[in-house]
Amino acid sequence: KAGVTQTPRYLIKTRGQQVTLSCSPISGHRSVSWYQQTPGQGLQFLFEYFSETQRNKGNFPGRFSGRQFSNSRSEMNVSTLELGDSALYLCASSLRTKTNEKLFFGSGTQLSVL
Amino acid sequence: KQEVTQIPAALSVPEGENLVLNCSFTDSAIYNLQWFRQDPGKGLTSLLLIQSSQREQTSGRLNASLDKSSGRSTLYIAASQPGDSATYLCAAPVEFLPVQAYKYIFGTGTRLKVLA
Repeated sequence: KAGVTQTPRYLIKTRGQQVTLSCSPISGHRSVSWYQQTPGQGLQFLFEYFSETQRNKGNFPGRFSGRQFSNSRSEMNVSTLELGDSALYLCASSLRTKTNEKLFFGSGTQLSVL
Repeated sequence: KQEVTQIPAALSVPEGENLVLNCSFTDSAIYNLQWFRQDPGKGLTSLLLIQSSQREQTSGRLNASLDKSSGRSTLYIAASQPGDSATYLCAAPVEFLPVQAYKYIFGTGTRLKVLA
């Protein structure tokens, strides 16, 4: 069974540009969540999607947005990039059973903003 | 508000040692706790998931325990090997109501180096 796939693996952008990251979850997983990882802040929750609906969002500005498609694939978009957006962006998928949810992470997209 | 703390932040041990990594959480109303491993620049690999009704889980040389009353979990690594060198993170879920969605709060991790 294929794991969580994130593309691209690396991105270099300049301030003010926008970027779109993609995540394909494990087949059958309907929940996709996104996290930002930086050396200073660690892993921080961005948002979570289930059946094409954003169920909740973390404390990030409106420049960060996302969506989920009917096949559960998800994208996140960051507009008007800032230097501080440089980070490893991780996507995780899960089955979301009631009592036993295991998160499966992709390899991440390393974003560098110059 | 759930806060997750891990100590030590870094650990360097000779090969073959048994070691314990600690994870503390402030809100004991969790329904599971997960341990992950992360290699530099890579994603997270799930190691163990302990449900709230369990006290421990084992996988190979790894054993994780959960004590909700004290807000602690430990990851025990037996007979450490150089290939165990990585950052180990624990994560506790926080529920969003009323949709019963969850997000995970991660500790800052323990960076482990096992010397050959």
